[in-house]
Amino acid sequence: GQNIDQPTEMTATEGAIVQINCTYQTSGFNGLFWYQQHAGEAPTFLSYNVLDGLEEKGRFSSFLSRSKGYSYLLLKELQMKDSASYLCAVRDSNYQLIWGAGTKLIIKP
Amino acid sequence: IAGITQAPTSQILAAGRRMTLRCTQDMRHNAMYWYRQDLGLGLRLIHYSNTAGTTGKGEVPDGYSVSRANTDDFPLTLASAVPSQTSVYFCASSDSSSGDYNEQFFGPGTRLTVL
Repeated sequence: GQNIDQPTEMTATEGAIVQINCTYQTSGFNGLFWYQQHAGEAPTFLSYNVLDGLEEKGRFSSFLSRSKGYSYLLLKELQMKDSASYLCAVRDSNYQLIWGAGTKLIIKP
Repeated sequence: IAGITQAPTSQILAAGRRMTLRCTQDMRHNAMYWYRQDLGLGLRLIHYSNTAGTTGKGEVPDGYSVSRANTDDFPLTLASAVPSQTSVYFCASSDSSSGDYNEQFFGPGTRLTVL
């Protein structure tokens, strides 16, 4: 079967750094996505990795290791507005997205 | 219209009733998707369409049907609603011809309660 695992919830302090992990087992791999979803809103695209390594986009970075079936999203200089759920999704051999349940990130002042 | 719109925003429905959730995009994306999102579970694909005139079944298609008569619209129909279909429904679209990330763009969602 196909499976995406992420921690259910994490807590971090404003101004700090947090790393959200994602492990996956899917039938095929055609890229990994991270989305942000604020409560009551739609998911919005954050990052995409298809090759091993780190992709940096401002305060957000995403890392991929295909051999380990592992990715992480790194958020730096946390702001209160970063309080949201972060969804990991893998595009499988059928080019469909398989989604993790999401990690709820709580930022404390 | 900018992006994807969905209607209604929310709906309470009696079990056994028929309901159509509407989705319209103005980005000329070829691919469209319907997901449901339930607490503690990831987004689950109900149906998808890679191009106008074609549709396919996702992970949880039972009890739902879709049509794709044109590029912009992708309605989702519940023929006879049941309480287990209580969920938040998201429509999404992507442009597979862009050759880039082909990320999916999401509508604001429809919150459906079946009693």
